[in-house]
Amino acid sequence: SQTIHQWPATLVQPVGSPLSLECTVEGTSNPNLYWYRQAAGRGLQLLFYSVGIGQISSEVPQNLSASRPQDRQFILSSKKLLLSDSGFYLCAWSVLLAEEQYFGPGTRLTVT
Amino acid sequence: SQQGEEDPQALSIQEGENATMNCSYKTSINNLQWYRQNSGRGLVHLILIRSNEREKHSGRLRVTLDTSKKSSSLLITASRAADTASYFCATDKAGGTSYGKLTFGQGTILTVHP
Repeated sequence: SQTIHQWPATLVQPVGSPLSLECTVEGTSNPNLYWYRQAAGRGLQLLFYSVGIGQISSEVPQNLSASRPQDRQFILSSKKLLLSDSGFYLCAWSVLLAEEQYFGPGTRLTVT
Repeated sequence: SQQGEEDPQALSIQEGENATMNCSYKTSINNLQWYRQNSGRGLVHLILIRSNEREKHSGRLRVTLDTSKKSSSLLITASRAADTASYFCATDKAGGTSYGKLTFGQGTILTVHP
Protein backbone atom coordinates (compact mmCIF):
# COMPACT_ATOMS: atom_id res chain seq x y z
CA SER A 1 0.00 0.00 0.00
CA GLN A 2 1.05 3.57 -0.57
CA THR A 3 2.01 5.98 2.19
CA ILE A 4 3.10 9.57 2.22
CA HIS A 5 5.36 11.13 4.82
CA GLN A 6 6.02 14.73 5.69
CA TRP A 7 8.46 16.18 8.15
CA PRO A 8 8.80 17.94 10.36
CA ALA A 9 5.29 17.98 11.81
CA THR A 10 5.73 21.41 13.35
CA LEU A 11 8.33 24.10 12.87
CA VAL A 12 8.94 27.51 14.39
CA GLN A 13 11.38 29.63 12.47
CA PRO A 14 12.48 33.28 12.73
CA VAL A 15 11.92 35.72 9.90
CA GLY A 16 14.79 35.62 7.41
CA SER A 17 15.81 32.05 8.17
CA PRO A 18 15.87 29.29 5.51
CA LEU A 19 13.27 26.56 5.16
CA SER A 20 13.29 22.99 3.97
CA LEU A 21 10.22 20.76 4.16
CA GLU A 22 10.41 17.23 2.86
CA CYS A 23 7.78 14.90 1.48
CA THR A 24 8.28 11.29 0.43
CA VAL A 25 5.90 8.76 -1.05
CA GLU A 26 6.21 5.01 -0.71
CA GLY A 27 4.61 2.20 -2.65
CA THR A 28 4.10 3.87 -6.02
CA SER A 29 6.21 4.96 -8.97
CA ASN A 30 6.21 8.23 -10.91
CA PRO A 31 3.52 9.90 -8.83
CA ASN A 32 2.30 13.42 -9.49
CA LEU A 33 3.33 15.48 -6.47
CA TYR A 34 1.82 18.66 -5.04
CA TRP A 35 2.57 21.27 -2.39
CA TYR A 36 -0.34 23.20 -0.90
CA ARG A 37 -0.57 25.86 1.78
CA GLN A 38 -3.59 26.24 4.01
CA ALA A 39 -4.14 29.40 6.03
CA ALA A 40 -6.32 29.51 9.13
CA GLY A 41 -7.67 25.99 8.60
CA ARG A 42 -9.64 26.89 5.50
CA GLY A 43 -9.09 26.56 1.76
CA LEU A 44 -5.99 25.13 0.14
CA GLN A 45 -3.74 27.12 -2.18
CA LEU A 46 -1.74 25.12 -4.71
CA LEU A 47 1.89 26.21 -4.60
CA PHE A 48 3.76 23.74 -6.82
CA TYR A 49 3.17 20.51 -8.65
CA SER A 50 5.45 18.06 -10.40
CA VAL A 51 4.79 15.37 -12.97
CA GLY A 52 8.30 13.93 -12.91
CA ILE A 53 11.86 14.25 -11.63
CA GLY A 54 13.16 17.77 -12.12
CA GLN A 55 9.83 19.02 -13.49
CA ILE A 56 8.27 21.71 -11.32
CA SER A 57 5.33 23.98 -12.08
CA SER A 58 4.91 27.05 -9.92
CA GLU A 59 1.45 28.40 -9.29
CA VAL A 60 1.97 31.37 -7.03
CA PRO A 61 4.80 33.94 -7.17
CA GLN A 62 6.48 33.96 -3.78
CA ASN A 63 9.77 33.41 -2.05
CA LEU A 64 9.26 29.65 -1.98
CA SER A 65 10.72 27.08 -4.36
CA ALA A 66 10.29 23.36 -4.87
CA SER A 67 12.51 20.58 -6.10
CA ARG A 68 12.08 16.92 -6.95
CA PRO A 69 15.49 15.30 -6.74
CA GLN A 70 14.12 11.76 -6.77
CA ASP A 71 10.99 10.14 -8.15
CA ARG A 72 9.19 10.00 -4.82
CA GLN A 73 10.73 12.96 -3.02
CA PHE A 74 9.40 16.51 -3.09
CA ILE A 75 11.07 19.36 -1.21
CA LEU A 76 9.74 22.83 -0.43
CA SER A 77 12.36 25.47 0.30
CA SER A 78 12.90 29.10 1.04
CA LYS A 79 16.09 31.09 1.40
CA LYS A 80 14.52 33.72 3.66
CA LEU A 81 11.19 33.24 5.39
CA LEU A 82 8.60 35.98 5.69
CA LEU A 83 5.92 36.32 8.36
CA SER A 84 3.35 35.67 5.64
CA ASP A 85 4.85 32.22 5.03
CA SER A 86 3.25 30.94 8.22
CA GLY A 87 0.63 28.28 7.60
CA PHE A 88 -0.13 24.60 7.26
CA TYR A 89 1.81 23.00 4.41
CA LEU A 90 0.42 19.88 2.83
CA CYS A 91 2.04 17.53 0.37
CA ALA A 92 -0.09 15.28 -1.80
CA TRP A 93 0.30 12.75 -4.58
CA SER A 94 -1.89 11.33 -7.29
CA VAL A 95 -1.70 8.71 -10.00
CA LEU A 96 -3.43 10.91 -12.57
CA LEU A 97 -3.40 14.70 -12.68
CA ALA A 98 -6.53 16.26 -11.20
CA GLU A 99 -7.85 12.92 -10.03
CA GLU A 100 -7.99 11.59 -6.50
CA GLN A 101 -5.20 13.04 -4.37
CA TYR A 102 -3.69 11.52 -1.25
CA PHE A 103 -2.46 13.93 1.38
CA GLY A 104 0.30 13.75 3.93
CA PRO A 105 -0.18 14.74 7.58
CA GLY A 106 1.08 18.28 6.99
CA THR A 107 3.67 20.60 8.53
CA ARG A 108 2.56 23.52 10.65
CA LEU A 109 5.01 26.38 10.10
CA THR A 110 5.08 29.43 12.33
CA VAL A 111 7.37 32.27 11.33
CA THR A 112 8.15 34.59 14.24
CA SER B 1 -13.01 34.75 -6.76
CA GLN B 2 -13.16 31.14 -5.68
CA GLN B 3 -13.93 28.43 -8.21
CA GLY B 4 -15.53 26.32 -5.53
CA GLU B 5 -17.54 27.89 -2.75
CA GLU B 6 -19.12 25.78 -0.05
CA ASP B 7 -22.34 26.59 1.71
CA PRO B 8 -22.94 26.79 4.61
CA GLN B 9 -19.62 27.84 6.12
CA ALA B 10 -20.55 26.01 9.31
CA LEU B 11 -23.16 23.39 10.15
CA SER B 12 -24.08 22.04 13.57
CA ILE B 13 -26.34 19.00 13.92
CA GLN B 14 -27.22 16.18 16.30
CA GLU B 15 -25.99 12.64 15.89
CA GLY B 16 -28.33 10.66 13.67
CA GLU B 17 -29.41 13.64 11.59
CA ASN B 18 -28.47 14.12 7.96
CA ALA B 19 -25.96 16.78 6.92
CA THR B 20 -26.08 18.49 3.55
CA MET B 21 -23.31 20.69 2.20
CA ASN B 22 -23.32 22.51 -1.09
CA CYS B 23 -20.62 23.60 -3.49
CA SER B 24 -20.96 26.08 -6.33
CA TYR B 25 -18.42 26.74 -9.03
CA LYS B 26 -18.03 29.16 -11.89
CA THR B 27 -16.47 27.44 -14.91
CA SER B 28 -16.95 24.13 -16.69
CA ILE B 29 -15.30 21.18 -15.00
CA ASN B 30 -13.99 17.73 -15.79
CA ASN B 31 -14.68 16.43 -12.30
CA LEU B 32 -15.58 17.56 -8.81
CA GLN B 33 -14.21 15.96 -5.67
CA TRP B 34 -15.08 16.09 -1.99
CA TYR B 35 -12.50 15.82 0.77
CA ARG B 36 -12.68 15.68 4.56
CA GLN B 37 -10.17 17.19 6.95
CA ASN B 38 -10.07 16.46 10.64
CA SER B 39 -8.66 19.26 12.74
CA GLY B 40 -4.94 19.73 12.17
CA ARG B 41 -4.65 16.77 9.83
CA GLY B 42 -4.26 16.10 6.13
CA LEU B 43 -7.21 15.84 3.76
CA VAL B 44 -8.88 12.54 2.98
CA HIS B 45 -10.50 11.93 -0.38
CA LEU B 46 -14.18 11.01 -0.13
CA ILE B 47 -15.66 10.87 -3.60
CA LEU B 48 -15.06 11.97 -7.19
CA ILE B 49 -17.90 12.71 -9.58
CA ARG B 50 -17.28 13.35 -13.26
CA SER B 51 -19.02 15.98 -15.33
CA ASN B 52 -21.14 13.37 -17.12
CA GLU B 53 -22.40 11.86 -13.86
CA ARG B 54 -25.33 13.14 -11.84
CA GLU B 55 -25.16 11.14 -8.63
CA LYS B 56 -22.73 8.93 -6.77
CA HIS B 57 -22.91 6.98 -3.54
CA SER B 58 -20.28 5.72 -1.14
CA GLY B 59 -21.49 4.22 2.11
CA ARG B 60 -23.38 6.97 3.97
CA LEU B 61 -22.27 9.59 1.44
CA ARG B 62 -24.32 10.75 -1.50
CA VAL B 63 -23.00 13.32 -3.97
CA THR B 64 -25.01 15.01 -6.68
CA LEU B 65 -23.79 17.17 -9.52
CA ASP B 66 -25.86 19.63 -11.52
CA THR B 67 -23.67 21.00 -14.30
CA SER B 68 -26.44 23.30 -15.55
CA LYS B 69 -26.48 25.05 -12.18
CA LYS B 70 -22.75 24.54 -11.63
CA SER B 71 -23.37 23.08 -8.22
CA SER B 72 -22.84 19.93 -6.20
CA SER B 73 -24.11 18.69 -2.90
CA LEU B 74 -22.71 16.24 -0.36
CA LEU B 75 -25.19 14.44 1.85
CA ILE B 76 -24.04 12.52 4.90
CA THR B 77 -26.82 10.34 6.24
CA ALA B 78 -27.23 9.22 9.86
CA SER B 79 -24.32 11.38 10.97
CA ARG B 80 -21.99 10.37 13.79
CA ALA B 81 -19.80 12.39 16.12
CA ALA B 82 -16.81 11.02 14.18
CA ASP B 83 -18.07 12.88 11.08
CA THR B 84 -17.11 16.16 12.77
CA ALA B 85 -14.61 17.71 10.37
CA SER B 86 -14.19 20.28 7.62
CA TYR B 87 -15.44 19.28 4.19
CA PHE B 88 -14.00 20.72 0.99
CA CYS B 89 -15.04 20.51 -2.60
CA ALA B 90 -12.37 20.67 -5.29
CA THR B 91 -12.85 21.15 -9.00
CA ASP B 92 -10.80 20.22 -12.02
CA LYS B 93 -11.51 22.98 -14.51
CA ALA B 94 -12.10 21.93 -18.08
CA GLY B 95 -9.73 23.08 -20.81
CA GLY B 96 -7.29 25.96 -20.86
CA THR B 97 -4.20 26.15 -18.74
CA SER B 98 -5.81 24.71 -15.63
CA TYR B 99 -5.27 21.11 -16.68
CA GLY B 100 -4.25 18.90 -13.86
CA LYS B 101 -4.84 21.39 -11.09
CA LEU B 102 -7.53 21.15 -8.46
CA THR B 103 -9.10 24.31 -7.07
CA PHE B 104 -10.35 23.96 -3.52
CA GLY B 105 -13.17 25.84 -1.88
CA GLN B 106 -13.06 27.37 1.59
CA GLY B 107 -14.84 24.44 3.21
CA THR B 108 -17.79 23.71 5.45
CA ILE B 109 -17.12 23.04 9.12
CA LEU B 110 -19.44 20.26 10.29
CA THR B 111 -19.99 19.65 13.98
CA VAL B 112 -21.99 16.59 15.02
CA HIS B 113 -23.10 16.63 18.64
CA PRO B 114 -23.44 13.27 20.45
